[in-house]
Amino acid sequence: QQQVKQSPQSLIVQKGGIPIINCAYENTAFDYFPWYQQFPGKGPALLIAIRPDVSEKKEGRFTISFNKSAKQFSLHIMDSQPGDSATYFCAASMNNNDMRFGAGTRLTVKP
Amino acid sequence: NAGVTQTPKFRILKIGQSMTLQCTQDMNHNYMYWYRQDPGMGLKLIYYSVGAGITDKGEVPNGYNVSRSTTEDFPLRLELAAPSQTSVYFCASTNLRGRGHGYTFGSGTRLTVV
Repeated sequence: QQQVKQSPQSLIVQKGGIPIINCAYENTAFDYFPWYQQFPGKGPALLIAIRPDVSEKKEGRFTISFNKSAKQFSLHIMDSQPGDSATYFCAASMNNNDMRFGAGTRLTVKP
Repeated sequence: NAGVTQTPKFRILKIGQSMTLQCTQDMNHNYMYWYRQDPGMGLKLIYYSVGAGITDKGEVPNGYNVSRSTTEDFPLRLELAAPSQTSVYFCASTNLRGRGHGYTFGSGTRLTVV
């Protein structure tokens, strides 16, 4: 069964827009929630991560919002740029092991 | 600073053939992982290792084998390749089974079984 559900599957925004990608998880034992960014032909790269003891984390233009009671978390990209066009994966793990990934969101930022 | 290196980048196999996907990391990471990525399915864990000599199955281990004789190397073996093994394979590593450490991924091996 899929332990981390991600939506939408694809997303198109204009430059400067704020794309939002959502994830929901089932296992309440998960304690680490990273987001990965993947460009074509490359491996995923860690973008930003959050723990369940905080509700929000911001790094540059990227923000994670976390709702522990709803078992949901989301990625917001402020002032999006064409260079942000990539596939984004949410993930969840216990003790940073056995990481479970969402299905991915293909983001396109139009100039 | 190479990080995680995977070879080959591309490979075409015939049904029933075998091959080994190579993975090497130079960061002295103890934990290493093999994932496969299929379109619209995210990444699925095949096998992982928490140190030299120790390996364990992930979500989708059938049809694969691994070994971990050194800290640096974690090869993935495909025996009797099947079309269902057509995928992109990623190796990853991390330095601690602990808090706040993400995975470093290689650039992947694209495998086609025909």
